[in-house]
Amino acid sequence: QLQLQESGPGLVKPSETLSLTCTVSGGSISSSSYYWGWIRQPPGKGLEWIGSIYYSGSTYYNPSLKSRVTISVDTSKNQFSLKLSSVTAADTAVYYCARLGYDDFYMDVWGKGTTVTVSS
Amino acid sequence: SYELTQPLSVSVALGQTARITCGGNNIGSKNVHWYQQKPGQAPVLVIYRDSNRPSGIPERFSGSNSGNTATLTISRAQAGDEADYYCQVWDSSTEVFGGGTKLTVL
Repeated sequence: QLQLQESGPGLVKPSETLSLTCTVSGGSISSSSYYWGWIRQPPGKGLEWIGSIYYSGSTYYNPSLKSRVTISVDTSKNQFSLKLSSVTAADTAVYYCARLGYDDFYMDVWGKGTTVTVSS
Repeated sequence: SYELTQPLSVSVALGQTARITCGGNNIGSKNVHWYQQKPGQAPVLVIYRDSNRPSGIPERFSGSNSGNTATLTISRAQAGDEADYYCQVWDSSTEVFGGGTKLTVL
């Protein structure tokens, strides 16, 4: 059964770069049938898509975050990663990684999420 | 950018039918997906491509999409259905989520 697990620092200082990794187990990240994505949820608010990546490295980003976001993939480790630069308190959120269907981009498998707080 | 509009809250009596709407310009021409999120948990896909249920999702969950409105219908509502529900579409190379609807089962 496919599982996704987010990992990374739970506390990041303002103006620094947030870095998270999603490890995929029980399946291959190199499958041609899926994209892999990051979604976040600020406290008490709704879901916000950050971006998605294909195993080949092709990416889509949320236009509102694009200037600060980099998503990369490491097929040898079955992982993909998120970097969000110049963070502020507004980037405090639960960050989820998820698998997306290649054709319709729905998210059918989610990680449990990891809380990231931006504070000095 | 494309926007999806959901009611903030919907209430339903135990055992009755709940309908959660998702409005968007000509949303009927898009594939709509629905997620259920319970407090402290990750979202779960309950409907994909307008009306398809993933394995393990009860038949009580159904979906429809036409014109400017997509609808998630939950029949015979149970206490365990109380959650936030989000609709989602793919538009212009961007994932778009609705603002979410809190379903209360009375």
